[in-house]
Amino acid sequence: ELKVEQNPLFLSMQEGKNYTIYCNYSTTSDRLYWYRQDPGKSLESLFVLLSNGAVKQEGRLMASLDTKARLSTLHITAAVHDLSATYFCAVDQYGNKLVFGAGTILRVKS
Amino acid sequence: DARVTQTPRDKVTEMGQEVTMRCQPILGHNTVFWYRQTMMQGLELLAYFRNRAPLDDSGMPKDRFSAEMPDATLATLKIQPSEPRDSAVYFCASASTGFTEAFFGQGTRLTVV
Repeated sequence: ELKVEQNPLFLSMQEGKNYTIYCNYSTTSDRLYWYRQDPGKSLESLFVLLSNGAVKQEGRLMASLDTKARLSTLHITAAVHDLSATYFCAVDQYGNKLVFGAGTILRVKS
Repeated sequence: DARVTQTPRDKVTEMGQEVTMRCQPILGHNTVFWYRQTMMQGLELLAYFRNRAPLDDSGMPKDRFSAEMPDATLATLKIQPSEPRDSAVYFCASASTGFTEAFFGQGTRLTVV
């Protein structure tokens, strides 16, 4: 059974600092997704990583995928308050089933 | 613009009542997922469909939950009878063939009292 683990589960950051969220998964997959969820809202797609070595960047967020290590990272550069949200990674099992990690609650403090 | 539409947005019901949640996937999407989100369990996959056929509903309590796709534009999730522990936000998501991205609806917030 596919398991997806994120860490940390909670991250309190100072504005302007850098940090990385890690996503490990237990079985072979070459597709990984990052979503953002604001309180009381739906999930918004951030990145779709479709192959080993894929790297995507949008603003202060950069995601990468290492399928050999079964690891994806979401790197935050020079955090700003607007990035406060919950971030989920999700792994595509067998090209069908989307399994989510527990989420990382990010709080950026001024 | 294309979006996944869920109704109702909020539902408060008494224990023992039947609850039906509806989802209209993005036109042309052939894969539909139902997720339940709670603070304790996070996002749980309840069931998913491809081309209207259920592929996996192992995450769903079989005795009280049922999911169907009567046609390509409608997916339903039914709970009968409802219990307080079913209180959660239920999300529907859809994806196209090849599945490069899944888009989520706004969710149905269910409260069973």
